[in-house]
Amino acid sequence: EDQVTQSPEALRLQEGESSSLNCSYTVSGLRGLFWYRQDPGKGPEFLFTLYSAGEEKEKERLKATLTKKESFLHITAPKPEDSATYLCAVQAVSDTGFQKLVFGTGTRLLVSP
Amino acid sequence: DVKVTQSSRYLVKRTGEKVFLECVQDMDHENMFWYRQDPGLGLRLIYFSYDVKMKEKGDIPEGYSVSREKKERFSLILESASTNQTSMYLCASSLRGGGGYTFGSGTRLTVV
Repeated sequence: EDQVTQSPEALRLQEGESSSLNCSYTVSGLRGLFWYRQDPGKGPEFLFTLYSAGEEKEKERLKATLTKKESFLHITAPKPEDSATYLCAVQAVSDTGFQKLVFGTGTRLLVSP
Repeated sequence: DVKVTQSSRYLVKRTGEKVFLECVQDMDHENMFWYRQDPGLGLRLIYFSYDVKMKEKGDIPEGYSVSREKKERFSLILESASTNQTSMYLCASSLRGGGGYTFGSGTRLTVV
């Protein structure tokens, strides 16, 4: 069964304190791993797509990396506006052969000034 | 700016009512999805559609149905709302080949 596990569930950082979020996955044939940011009461907003082990993507203070079993979202010198829930998802194939995303439960990040 | 628009941000319905949640996208995407999001459970796929009038059950379809009469519109129907269907409902769309989804802002449904 395709599965995504994110850790930690919640993370509290001081402004400027760098850290990493983890996403481990099991999927039969990875077709893509996605990171989203979700603010309270809003829909997820796309951040990155990674397709193969060793790939890295960066955007401002965020950097996503991928290995064969997990992905990391590194946050460098975070600011309070980085506070959000970060969701990881893998692209899987349904029983009928159609592609769908399977999501983890997310990491709630709070950055204090 | 490309968009997925959900018709209501907040909705309160009574147990047993028939509820319609509407979603419209302006990106000419073939695939559309309905998820529900609950604390501790993450996003769970209810139904998806890969073409007009086509639909596929997701992981938790019980108590729901869907309709896709036009490419840009995907409706989620709760035939007889129950309190355990109180949740945040998220609509999303993507291109036929897969890839990242674009999400709507969500509808927070409360069934009383």
